[in-house]
Amino acid sequence: QVQLVESGGGVVQPGGSLRLSCAASGFTFSSYGMHWVRQAPGKGLEGVAFIRYSGSDKYYADSVKGRFTISRDNSRSTLYLQMNSLRAEDTAVYYCAKDGPLLAVNFYYMDVWGKGTTVTVSS
Amino acid sequence: QSVLTQPPSVSAAPGQKVTISCSGSNSNIGNDYVSWYQQLPGTAPKLLIYDNDNRPSGIPDRFSGSKSGTSATLGITGLQTGDEADYYCGTWDSSLSAWVFGGGTNLIVL
Repeated sequence: QVQLVESGGGVVQPGGSLRLSCAASGFTFSSYGMHWVRQAPGKGLEGVAFIRYSGSDKYYADSVKGRFTISRDNSRSTLYLQMNSLRAEDTAVYYCAKDGPLLAVNFYYMDVWGKGTTVTVSS
Repeated sequence: QSVLTQPPSVSAAPGQKVTISCSGSNSNIGNDYVSWYQQLPGTAPKLLIYDNDNRPSGIPDRFSGSKSGTSATLGITGLQTGDEADYYCGTWDSSLSAWVFGGGTNLIVL
């Protein structure tokens, strides 16, 4: 079945780095855009980073621009989020999500979500 | 402060109907499709409505969506206690070049 499994979360000190992974299965990963979405404790959802199916175009929320990098390895069906210069306000559950339409030029909706991985930034 | 505005909470009795509003601008809702997500306590969000008014397979027709101008609405009829959750609207914002969500609405089924 279609599945996304995140990994790589943990506790890191302010200013540190972490790399999240999202392993996809059950669908042709290389044909779909992908998203990273986070949720701080007790807060709502925040779109963090987005990448087109080919990996050619990447977009970021202003809150992470210049610090986070989204990438994908279509040969491994894996999505990544490299997080540098981490701050306390980056503490959240990070979800990866699949975009809906096949070979879409834009981003339309998130039809499959992983269970999330927790990132805690604390000294 | 979220780009899309939702009421923090709504409530209704079992069997009743409720609507949740989502207000945006010309650079987001006014320019693109809206989707809705349900997040039950302690779980990942789930897609409820896509492309303004379409339901994925497996989502009951008690859930409906609509859009007009720069606002969208989620409707839920025949409320059940199992519908108690947080609901989020979302869409692409062409000015920000980013996906934006509403702040979320907590549905309470009294």
